[in-house]
Amino acid sequence: AQTVTQSQPEMSVQEAETVTLSCTYDTSESDYYLFWYKQPPSRQMILVIRQEAYKQQNATENRFSVNFQKAAKSFSLKISDSQLGDAAMYFCAYRRDDMRFGAGTRLTVKP
Amino acid sequence: DTEVTQTPKHLVMGMTNKKSLKCEQHMGHRAMYWYKQKAKKPPELMFVYSYEKLSINESVPSRFSPECPNSSLLNLHLHALQPEDSALYLCASIGFRTEAFFGQGTRLTVV
Repeated sequence: AQTVTQSQPEMSVQEAETVTLSCTYDTSESDYYLFWYKQPPSRQMILVIRQEAYKQQNATENRFSVNFQKAAKSFSLKISDSQLGDAAMYFCAYRRDDMRFGAGTRLTVKP
Repeated sequence: DTEVTQTPKHLVMGMTNKKSLKCEQHMGHRAMYWYKQKAKKPPELMFVYSYEKLSINESVPSRFSPECPNSSLLNLHLHALQPEDSALYLCASIGFRTEAFFGQGTRLTVV
């Protein structure tokens, strides 16, 4: 089974600064999808960004961007100009035949 | 319409009760998932339905019984649960080559 690893249980960033959350995964497949989801205290799962493995270009959504290194099986999320509303749990997810999540990183944003 | 609707939002049940959780989507997706999420943990895959057939059962105890009456509806029947089954139950709908769209979840408490 595929595994997703997030090695940072907690991260903290100053408002307006940049933070990077790490994710690695293990797979023998070449075609798959990777996602970052945000889960605020309401516990609604919100999609932040997605990356198709066949695309070499890193995905970007406004202040959020990824560094996708397929050979290294690494998929990090960069949040620029951090805002108080970015504080949440962030989950990295791998999708092929099903969807699996990493353990999550709790992001705190300091004013 | 990219909404996944779960009912009820909250449920308290005794260990001898029978109850059901419902999930509905109208995006035409053919795959629907049930996840269990404990506090401060990632969503844990329970069941996957693909084209209305159960394709993945992650060794879930038989006191949880999934059902997919049609392509838009997913149920989770609960019977003789234990207090440790208290959790947030998330339903997700996934289309071909898309991300997972999540419902708001059912917060289940077993007393």
